[in-house]
Amino acid sequence: QKEVEQDPGPLSVPEGAIVSLNCTYSNSAFQYFMWYRQYSRKGPELLMYTYSSGNKEDGRFTAQVDKSSKYISLFIRDSQPSDSATYLCAMSVGNQAGTALIFGKGTTLSVSS
Amino acid sequence: DAGVTQSPTHLIKTRGQQVTLRCSPISGHKSVSWYQQVLGQGPQFIFQYYEKEERGRGNFPDRFSARQFPNYSSELNVNALLLGDSALYLCASSSSTGNLYGYTFGSGTRLTVV
Repeated sequence: QKEVEQDPGPLSVPEGAIVSLNCTYSNSAFQYFMWYRQYSRKGPELLMYTYSSGNKEDGRFTAQVDKSSKYISLFIRDSQPSDSATYLCAMSVGNQAGTALIFGKGTTLSVSS
Repeated sequence: DAGVTQSPTHLIKTRGQQVTLRCSPISGHKSVSWYQQVLGQGPQFIFQYYEKEERGRGNFPDRFSARQFPNYSSELNVNALLLGDSALYLCASSSSTGNLYGYTFGSGTRLTVV
């Protein structure tokens, strides 16, 4: 079992739809949870950063963390064609020296106008 | 301000050769991390350096090595290249080893081994 599981999709939705992206994980020591967006031929760009459980909202994006279920989600409201990209979840056990990010495979999202 | 700069952007190497990839962090950032992203997969951690010292190492063979210079730039070296080393190599910089929020990735170097 991989430490972080993410459905690779692809996921296709019409403009304006609500998108739900999810990851599950097995390591209960993870405390920091992130969502990155990666456009083709570019490096990942940080979208959301959450410490421990709970919800965090930023504009059209909402990140949820449920540590009891080892499950995290990213919701995108009013999706736009510019949201078409690969979305990567990432996790870390802490912020000590040498701490690595553990990524999911990424979900490819396509938003049609 | 310039972001994380990686060079070259693309290169093609033959099996068995050696390659050096370069990374310049954001000004003021002292930590550099390297990741390998194989097509269709998420990035996988290779190394983290801070103040010229190795602070973390992922599950990669000894053919992979890296170093950080006094100006905080970094090089990743891969010896005896295999076909499976074909990937996008990403460099990320941050102000400190613990600053996950400020982790910024470059656009990567796409390595093709033939």
